[in-house]
Amino acid sequence: DQQVKQNSPSLSVQEGRISILNCDYTNSMFDYFLWYKKYPAEGPTFLISISSIKDKNEDGRFTVFLNKSAKHLSLHIVPSQPGDSAVYFCAAITGNQFYFGTGTSLTVIP
Amino acid sequence: DGGITQSPKYLFRKEGQNVTLSCEQNLNHDAMYWYRQDPGQGLRLIYYSQIVNDFQKGDIAEGYSVSREKKESFPLTVTSAQKNPTAFYLCASSLGVANQPQHFGDGTRLSIL
Repeated sequence: DQQVKQNSPSLSVQEGRISILNCDYTNSMFDYFLWYKKYPAEGPTFLISISSIKDKNEDGRFTVFLNKSAKHLSLHIVPSQPGDSAVYFCAAITGNQFYFGTGTSLTVIP
Repeated sequence: DGGITQSPKYLFRKEGQNVTLSCEQNLNHDAMYWYRQDPGQGLRLIYYSQIVNDFQKGDIAEGYSVSREKKESFPLTVTSAQKNPTAFYLCASSLGVANQPQHFGDGTRLSIL
């Protein structure tokens, strides 16, 4: 049973525009959420996180939004750059258990 | 320069053989994890360890074994009992306290000859 879902396997965005990656979850016990970025043949790297007590966290071009009532998480990248092209995984934590989504492949077109 | 090192990057195994994937970290992290990634799927947890000499099964532990004799090392053995071992294997570590991100190695791609 997939507790964290990324329903869009891929996304293409023009350079300079906003990229919005979405993630839905089912477990209301999750208390921390993260986004990871992964290039081919490399491990994921941590990008940004948000606690369940917040609804927004910003770090430079990256902003994560959390809507607890909808059990929905999104990552906004503004402005998008070609180097942002990668697979993005959302993850959720309860206790020490991590749950990962299936990933969304972002392509930023120059 | 702290990090997680997985070796080898590519590994080939004959059917019926056991093979061990190495994972070493110098981040002084207490917790370590092994994940498997298949095409089009997310990361699935194989085993995790929160402290030396202790480890727990994840969602897909069958056909795998681990040891945690040292804080820095968490090797994964893919046994002959694992019927579909071809995959990308990722090792991760974290501080082990609540709500801390995991840091990942660059992975090992295992293929069956």
